[in-house]
Amino acid sequence: SQQGEEDPQALSIQEGENATMNCSYKTSINNLQWYRQNSGRGLVHLILIRSNEREKHSGRLRVTLDTSKKSSSLLITASRAADTASYFCATAQGGSEKLVFGKGTKLTVNP
Amino acid sequence: GAGVSQSPSNKVTEKGKDVELRCDPISGHTALYWYRQSLGQGLEFLIYFQGNSAPDKSGLPSDRFSAERTGGSVSTLTIQRTQQEDSAVYLCASSLDGTGTGYTFGSGTRLTVV
Repeated sequence: SQQGEEDPQALSIQEGENATMNCSYKTSINNLQWYRQNSGRGLVHLILIRSNEREKHSGRLRVTLDTSKKSSSLLITASRAADTASYFCATAQGGSEKLVFGKGTKLTVNP
Repeated sequence: GAGVSQSPSNKVTEKGKDVELRCDPISGHTALYWYRQSLGQGLEFLIYFQGNSAPDKSGLPSDRFSAERTGGSVSTLTIQRTQQEDSAVYLCASSLDGTGTGYTFGSGTRLTVV
């Protein structure tokens, strides 16, 4: 069953702008992860935030987690054309280490 | 190896034939996962291996699907009597010990059933 739901489904911005993607989930989690996928093939792990963390940074990426609202956001600052990809959130639910993925947000950064 | 290796990268098969997809995880990674992704969709969990424990097969869509992991390393996903709805990209991932750390994905096998 679908756990994470990303919003929006698609996002188009200009290079240099910030991109914000949201993820909502339904059950308690151990951690939440964001992945990037180019061209419909392998996913690349971007960042992991644990359930007791509220914010995490990695380079131009900023992830927040609100467990009371069961939601997370991924912010990409100063976007580049190379950031064009699909972005997925994934959650590891309590008692299980398998990740459940959302359907993703397709980000297009126009040069 | 340096990454997760999947083979073949592309497979076209006739409806009703059996196929085998291979995944070679990162050396030392004890957890291995199979997912499938239909066009424009998210990832659908299929099966999860962790060390010597019994695999979590809860995501396998039918008894035509099976997977094994030999020697705690290479895994093979087998689809018997393939159907057109089996067409998808099959992704394998591994993680160090399955404790919620990030996965490393392979590039996937694109299966087309004609």
